[in-house]
Amino acid sequence: GDSVTQMEGPVTLSEEAFLTINCTYTATGYPSLFWYVQYPGEGLQLLLKATKADDKGSNKGFEATYRKETTSFHLEKGSVQVSDSAVYFCALAGGTSYGKLTFGQGTILTVHP
Amino acid sequence: SAVISQKPSRDICQRGTSLTIQCQVDSQVTMMFWYRQQPGQSLTLIATANQGSEATYESGFVIDKFPISRPNLTFSTLTVSNMSPEDSSIYLCSVEQDSGANVLTFGAGSRLTVL
Repeated sequence: GDSVTQMEGPVTLSEEAFLTINCTYTATGYPSLFWYVQYPGEGLQLLLKATKADDKGSNKGFEATYRKETTSFHLEKGSVQVSDSAVYFCALAGGTSYGKLTFGQGTILTVHP
Repeated sequence: SAVISQKPSRDICQRGTSLTIQCQVDSQVTMMFWYRQQPGQSLTLIATANQGSEATYESGFVIDKFPISRPNLTFSTLTVSNMSPEDSSIYLCSVEQDSGANVLTFGAGSRLTVL
């Protein structure tokens, strides 16, 4: 079945540091890929998405590129801020699914001033 | 995107009791989804709730344990029945943000602790 493997955390960075959170997946067909973020006390929010190979999703300075050859969707940001402290989830939606997302286990990011 | 309100936000429950979680959406939606996030685990889909029909449950989840109601297009409830400590989790309600795009909007979740 479908699965998502996410870089284990927690990750602690200083402000303005470069961020990478690794995500690899296993799926049949051509899934859509997502990064969700959960800020303290809030629900999950879609951060970015990509629906086909070589697509790059971007939002709020975060980027991730759908790499079919390496089955990866790594999240990157060039300069993190304290406000980026949150839990980040990588997820996929298989081609035959509807509303069923397969999530990674989440990575806790803490950014210090 | 839709705004989702869940109640309760958290609760502490005794073993053997049942608790109903409510999910209210500020717009009409066809399908609502219930997820569970166990401590240290990723999110797992429990079931899909359609208005006017029985909920569709994922493998490993059954109606007797997690009965779901969907009385209208803006509201759903999930009941966790005969709770045990293993049911301690965050339960999240979600709806599709963009029709057909598999992009989900989530509520803030209901954190249940079973003693």
